[in-house]
Amino acid sequence: AQSVTQPDIHITVSEGASLELRCNYSYGATPYLFWYVQSPGQGLQLLLKYFSGDTLVQGIKGFEAEFKRSQSSFNLRKPSVHWSDAAEYFCAVGLMEYGNKLVFGAGTILRVKS
Amino acid sequence: DVKVTQSSRYLVKRTGEKVFLECVQDMDHENMFWYRQDPGLGLRLIYFSYDVKMKEKGDIPEGYSVSREKKERFSLILESASTNQTSMYLCASSEPSGAGGYTFGSGTRLTVV
Repeated sequence: AQSVTQPDIHITVSEGASLELRCNYSYGATPYLFWYVQSPGQGLQLLLKYFSGDTLVQGIKGFEAEFKRSQSSFNLRKPSVHWSDAAEYFCAVGLMEYGNKLVFGAGTILRVKS
Repeated sequence: DVKVTQSSRYLVKRTGEKVFLECVQDMDHENMFWYRQDPGLGLRLIYFSYDVKMKEKGDIPEGYSVSREKKERFSLILESASTNQTSMYLCASSEPSGAGGYTFGSGTRLTVV
């Protein structure tokens, strides 16, 4: 079955430090891949997406992600974290042959300490 | 920008009540989705719809139904609310290819007492 794993439930980083959030997926074909962010009490906002082509994709708010087919991974990175980045981050796989539905990971809560 | 609007931000309902959660999108998207979000479980798909009057079960449809009489509106129905349906409910829409990703509403936090 298709699945998405975010191995880190919580991550705490210092403001200004670099960040990497991990995401692994299980899916037979090359999926569409997404990262979303959710601030407390809000809906989900799309950070970036990968469909094909360049495996390093740039998103909003200074985030980037790299697709590695051999590792079935799509990790999210940011070189310097700001306090406003504290939120919950979700990785998702788009299953185009299953009605275009998204399968989400359980999420990673990012805390930023000053 | 696409807007997905969920009519209620917070709802408190009694066990056994019939509950309607409404979602409206303004970008003429064919696809609409209902997810529920629970801590540690991420988002789980309840139902989705490709077109008016079309619906498909997601991963956790038990206890729910949906209605899509107009393209822009997708309603989630809890026929007889139970306490285990206390959750955050998120509606989303997308174009058919999904290439643009999904646009989510702000969510409805439902408490069943």
